[in-house]
Formats: sequence, C-alpha cells, structure tokens
Amino acid sequence: SQKIEQNSEALNIQEGKTATLTCNYTNYSPAYLQWYRQDPGRGPVFLLLIRENEKEKRKERLKVTFDTTLKQSLFHITASQPADSATYLCALVRDSSYKLIFGSGTRLLVRP
Amino acid sequence: EAQVTQNPRYLITVTGKKLTVTCSQNMNHEYMSWYRQDPGLGLRQIYYSMNVEVTDKGDVPEGYKVSRKEKRNFPLILESPSPNQTSLYFCASSLLAGDYGYTFGSGTRLTVV
Repeated sequence: SQKIEQNSEALNIQEGKTATLTCNYTNYSPAYLQWYRQDPGRGPVFLLLIRENEKEKRKERLKVTFDTTLKQSLFHITASQPADSATYLCALVRDSSYKLIFGSGTRLLVRP
Repeated sequence: EAQVTQNPRYLITVTGKKLTVTCSQNMNHEYMSWYRQDPGLGLRQIYYSMNVEVTDKGDVPEGYKVSRKEKRNFPLILESPSPNQTSLYFCASSLLAGDYGYTFGSGTRLTVV
C-alpha cells in the first residue's frame, strides 16, 4: 500500500543547531513534495515545494532535498530557534487527481 | 489579506442534527479541499474540488457532502452527524492542484455528542 512515513518521535535539539527531519514514501512516484509547519490547534502553513526534477530547494534558513531513487525527502532548519518548535508535515501529490496526501508529522522542540 | 475563512471555529452538536461548516477563500483559487485531523491518524482528505461544479471524493468521504456553486465557497455538510465525526476539520485552497502550496483555514473543532 502507499505510505508516507515521518519519524513519530519528537526531535529535541539545542538552539543554534541544524534540525533535520525525514520523510520517506513507498509506492508513490510523486511529481511534487511539499513541507508544512503546524502549530497546536492551528492550520498547517505551507513552507516549501520541491519538484521531482529538483534535487534541492532553499528558502532563508530552510532547505529541502528530494531523492526520488531513495524515495526520501530531508527538511533542514539551520541556526534553529525556539520559535521553530512546531510539528512539520510532508505531503505528496499522489497522482493525476492531484490529491495531496500528508504524513503524520514530526514534532520539533528547540531548547533555548 | 489573502486567507481561507472557516466558520464556526468551535461547534458542539447532537447526533443526527444536520450541520454545515462554511469555507470561503478570497484568492481566486481553483482548487479547494476539506481535511479532518485526528490524533494518530494525521490529516485525511474528505472531499476536494478542482473547480466550480467539479467535486470528488477523498479518502474518507462517508457521512459528508460538499458543493462548489461559486469559486470562493466550499461548504462541508454533515447530513446526520455521528460521534465518530468528532474531529478537527480544515479547509484548504490552492491556485492550481499540485504545483502550488495549499492555504489552510484556522480549523473547526467539531464535537458530536
């Protein structure tokens, strides 16, 4: 079956370090992969989109990589801050229906 | 301000009493979608719409209806709510499906007793 996997355990890091979150998928060949941030009780907020022909994309302190051979995306936050603490979701466009399917998210905690 | 507006923010209702959750976007987006979010299950798509008068089922459509009579509005209808529909609901829109990020509403927390 088709699956998107994100580490369910929270990632706990020290302020100033780089946070790296992983998104693995099986039985998909997505054309796009997206990353969102979600704070408790709030709607997800779009961060970055990367296409299958792009290996890497950056936006300020954020960097996303997309390896279609490994079926994996990595999401990096450099110089992390306590304000970066949130749950981060990856999402794939599943097929020609353009349904956006979400992983269950990884919670990031940045300690001051 | 570009946004997706959902109402109400919180709703407690009784089993079987029909309700509608409204969703409106002011960005002229073609694509709109409803999700529910439950602990341990993540975000699951209920219905989506590629454009006016075009709607289709997501992964968990049972017990829900939608309509898209105008581009900006995409209401979610629960004809006969049941306790298993207690959840946090999000409406989202996108300029076009797939190649653009989604803008989400603030959510509607529904409790069915």
